[in-house]
Amino acid sequence: GAGVSQSPSNKVTEKGKDVELRCDPISGHTALYWYRQRLGQGLEFLIYFQGNSAPDKSGLPSDRFSAERTGESVSTLTIQRTQQEDSAVYLCASSLGRGRRTSTDTQYFGPGTRLTVL
Amino acid sequence: SQELEQSPQSLIVQEGKNLTINCTSSKTLYGLYWYKQKYGEGLIFLMMLQKGGEEKSHEKITAKLDEKKQQSSLHITASQPSHAGIYLCGAEGNHDYKYIFGTGTRLKVLA
Repeated sequence: GAGVSQSPSNKVTEKGKDVELRCDPISGHTALYWYRQRLGQGLEFLIYFQGNSAPDKSGLPSDRFSAERTGESVSTLTIQRTQQEDSAVYLCASSLGRGRRTSTDTQYFGPGTRLTVL
Repeated sequence: SQELEQSPQSLIVQEGKNLTINCTSSKTLYGLYWYKQKYGEGLIFLMMLQKGGEEKSHEKITAKLDEKKQQSSLHITASQPSHAGIYLCGAEGNHDYKYIFGTGTRLKVLA
């Protein structure tokens, strides 16, 4: 498809288990973002990948969270030892990416993965 | 730090009525994005505004960015049940690429 895809769409797990969320960005998009949206709250930036540069991990809430991206394609967000407060919708977005800072860059979002930690 | 405030938080209107959602920034916006979110679906990009005073329309939805680039409004004319959802404004930070988002406006349109 032409859009950003994410899998799984829903994930229910037990507290303490590890989970892995996948994002397939739009082909040709060099930038990829992960966000978290807790119930009733706005989007929270987690991590940003831009090409082959070192990712910006400044939004990751704890060391239980990690993300990887293979080149300019698939990304996985891993949450280790899940906690109930990790329950949220995890959204991935991709964009063409930017060369100069003065350009704007529209992000296109996937459908999200709804994570429920029991 | 830059913040985006949206108002109202929720809105219930009768089908056919017009409505406006506002998004206000504490600092000058670099780029302002409007998204629509439906339950079980991803965010849908609606419009992006960059220049002060800019106005864009798509079907019955019009978005404006004020001259100071600190406030944007989203106006829906003759609302329909299909307009129901959560509307989010988002903006790029002035000093980094990270996006910030408002908390959203939940719109319900009664048939």
